[in-house]
Order: sequence, then structure tokens, then C-alpha cells
Amino acid sequence: GAVVSQHPSRVICKSGTSVKIECRSLDFQATTMFWYRQFPKQSLMLMATSNEGSKATYEQGVEKDKFLINHASLTLSTLTVTSAHPEDSSFYICSARHSHSYEQYFGPGTRLTVT
Amino acid sequence: EDQVTQSPEALRLQEGESSSLNCSYTVSGLRGLFWYRQDPGKGPEFLFTLYSAGEEKEKERLKATLTKKESFLHITAPKPEDSATYLCAVQAGGVNNAGNMLTFGGGTRLMVKP
Repeated sequence: GAVVSQHPSRVICKSGTSVKIECRSLDFQATTMFWYRQFPKQSLMLMATSNEGSKATYEQGVEKDKFLINHASLTLSTLTVTSAHPEDSSFYICSARHSHSYEQYFGPGTRLTVT
Repeated sequence: EDQVTQSPEALRLQEGESSSLNCSYTVSGLRGLFWYRQDPGKGPEFLFTLYSAGEEKEKERLKATLTKKESFLHITAPKPEDSATYLCAVQAGGVNNAGNMLTFGGGTRLMVKP
């Protein structure tokens, strides 16, 4: 149980285009989902927290207009990187918190490369 | 401000050589301490949750313990497949963390040689 999927696992896009990443909790309902960014050999950096049916809460320094988050259902959250630039290239990981516990379960991550 | 410090940053062990990873934390009202394993290029895999001092949990060769200031992840007779980065995270309770955020440590990169 507690499986989280992400799609796509890898994406390469051109500078100026937008990319959407999906995060799904496959076997549980997640009232809260989180989006992280991870640079090589560093720990996870929280970007935003999203609650189903409400606006996401962004961490300081994260541009909400650049990283659009939608949490339309209890099993799906999406992160759209708008007008991507090479500096947005990174490993993006989502997690989902089970409605009945405090644990967060992570997806496998999405490697974004902007050329 | 909640803080989590993991040590050592990297640890090399021979297969079968037991050791411990440390996670020191300061948090305003601990709701839970979590251990994750992360392999290169993958998302963290949940291992344990510890809620109160004195609690212990085990899974195969891993055992996690918790005190009021730190947690240890003990690895008994490790195998090469235990090589990974181990992450510790805390979740603070109370109104200041209504979003249930996790604060992560920097991780310990474990390498087990055959």
C-alpha cells in the first residue's frame, strides 16, 4: 500500500515552453500533497504544499506564477513549470500524505532538463 | 526554527560491519520523526515513523530509535544492497505547522563494500 506515481519520469523541453508533471496516489486518498526539488547530492527542498480543492501554499522564494500547482482531486496533483529556463532543470519529487496518518509517501521523481 | 542535522555525511562500511547513523533535531513539539531511504535518481522510500522518546522500530537489518534530542538508525551486518542515502525528517506539531511540513536533514550516504 501507499504507492505514489509520477509522470513523466524524464522530460526534456526547450527553453520557453511549459511542462506538466503529474503526481498520483494510487491506493490511498491524499488530502495533502507536497512538491519538492532536489539538486545533485543535496537534500530535498520543499517548494509548495497543496491541499485538495484549495490554493497551494508556496515556500519563500518559490515563484507561484512560474510553478503552477493544481490539486483537483484526492488522488491527483499537478505541477506545471511555465516558461521553463535551463536553471529550472532539476529533479522534482512529489509526496502525498495519507488522510489518516502523518507519513508522507514519495513518488519516484521526474528529471526535468531544459535545453 | 526546526533543525535536523545528520551525521556522518558519508559512511563506508565493509559487508557485515554494523554501524549507526545519527539524526539530531530541534523542533517545537515533535509530531513525528521519519526515516527514508533514497537510491540515486529515485524518490525517497519510507522506512520508519517514530513518535515518542524510547520508541524503537525494526525492519530487516535496520533498527530506528528515538530520544528527546536525536534518533539513531542502526544497521546490523549490512549488505551491499543497503548502500543508499538515508534521510531523516521531523514534523513539528502545533498551529505553526498546520501544513504538516517535513524538515529534512542533509542525509547520510552509506556505501557498503562486499
